[in-house]
Amino acid sequence: GDSVTQMEGPVTLSEEACLTINCTYTATGYPSLFWYVQYPGEGLQLLLKATKADDKGSNKGFEATYRKETTSFHLEKGSVQVSDSAVYFCALRYIYNQGGKLIFGQGTELSVKP
Amino acid sequence: DGGITQSPKYLFRKEGQNVTLSCEQNLNHDAMYWYRQDPGQGLRLIYYSQIVNDFQKGDIAEGYSVSREKKESFPLTVTSAQKNPTAFYLCASSIGSGFSDEQYFGPGTRLTVT
Repeated sequence: GDSVTQMEGPVTLSEEACLTINCTYTATGYPSLFWYVQYPGEGLQLLLKATKADDKGSNKGFEATYRKETTSFHLEKGSVQVSDSAVYFCALRYIYNQGGKLIFGQGTELSVKP
Repeated sequence: DGGITQSPKYLFRKEGQNVTLSCEQNLNHDAMYWYRQDPGQGLRLIYYSQIVNDFQKGDIAEGYSVSREKKESFPLTVTSAQKNPTAFYLCASSIGSGFSDEQYFGPGTRLTVT
């Protein structure tokens, strides 16, 4: 079935370091891809999305490119801040799957130290 | 401001009691979803509704029930039949079930059953 796999966390970085969180997916169709962020004790916020191959989603300095050939959607940021500390979820959405439900990876916790 | 509200933020119940979690949205969205989050895991779909007066089971519906009598409301009841109800519950909505439609999340309700 459809699934999303993220790199294991937690990831600990110093402020201004580069970030990459790997995400790969398995899907029978042609899904849309999303990154969500969850701050402690809160719900999820959409960070960025891409709906077709080679699309690049971007927001708040984060970027991810939809790579169909490698079935990947890695999240990147050139210079992280302490305020970026959160859990990041990669997800896919496929309209033929239960009302367009999101299928999530297990989440990657990011901790940024000053 | 438009958004999704969930109440209460924290809920404590004794084993054997049913409990209802509230979810209200004023975004005029047709589709609504309930997800469950366990520590270190991604979110799993409990129930979803694509339109008023209609709802469908998700991946882990056993021990849960829902209703969708109004467009803006999608309450979730955790029954005593749910074997392991302690978790963080997240409600989401989207304008439709299209594959690129974003899902917006509420702040969540943390349920503890002892």
